[in-house]
Amino acid sequence: QVTLKESGPVLVKPTETLTLTCTVSGFSLSNARMGVSWIRQPPGKALEWLAHIFSNDEKSYSTSLKSRLTISKDTSKSQVVLTMTNMDPVDTATYYCARIFYVELRFDPWGQGTLVTVSS
Amino acid sequence: QSALTQPPSASGSPGQSVTISCTGTSSDVGGYNYVSWYQQHPGKAPKLMIYEVSKRPSGVPDRFSGSKSGNTASLTVSGLQAEDEADYYCSSYAGSVVFGGGTKLTVL
Repeated sequence: QVTLKESGPVLVKPTETLTLTCTVSGFSLSNARMGVSWIRQPPGKALEWLAHIFSNDEKSYSTSLKSRLTISKDTSKSQVVLTMTNMDPVDTATYYCARIFYVELRFDPWGQGTLVTVSS
Repeated sequence: QSALTQPPSASGSPGQSVTISCTGTSSDVGGYNYVSWYQQHPGKAPKLMIYEVSKRPSGVPDRFSGSKSGNTASLTVSGLQAEDEADYYCSSYAGSVVFGGGTKLTVL
């Protein structure tokens, strides 16, 4: 059974850096067909793709957020880490990680998500 | 990348069919057969329902189907059931990935 679970702070202050960890099980981060993506959803709003990383360390970032995002992986720990700098209240959202398939770019399955609130 | 355009709402009675559209451009929906659809119930994570325009993952009822014409993809839910009431999002490859704004499906 494939599962993903997000972890990280519930509350961050404006201008701080957010670090989120996605721990996966049921598949390997060294699998050439698969990777991990981060996607967020502000309360009551739509999904927004942030970044993804594949087994060969190929990375891709949202154009609008690229300067603030860094994605990395630790294959031995089955973890993918996303950092987002200079957090702002508009970044308040539920952050999801999801397995992504290399060719079809489909997200399946998703983690349960973690709500991050940006407030002083 | 601009978000794909979906109607904010759709509705139908139990047993009826409803179609949700997802309009993009030749740079995303129209240019690739990598359109996916996700179902999201309140407070839950999204679930993959359709990928590569019309393929269904195992376990997804065949009441859900997908298609594409030009720059517009569509999700059709046939034989509506109460549990189909949810938000639906499309996504497409566009060099990276872009999502639609979501459609709230109400079963009357």
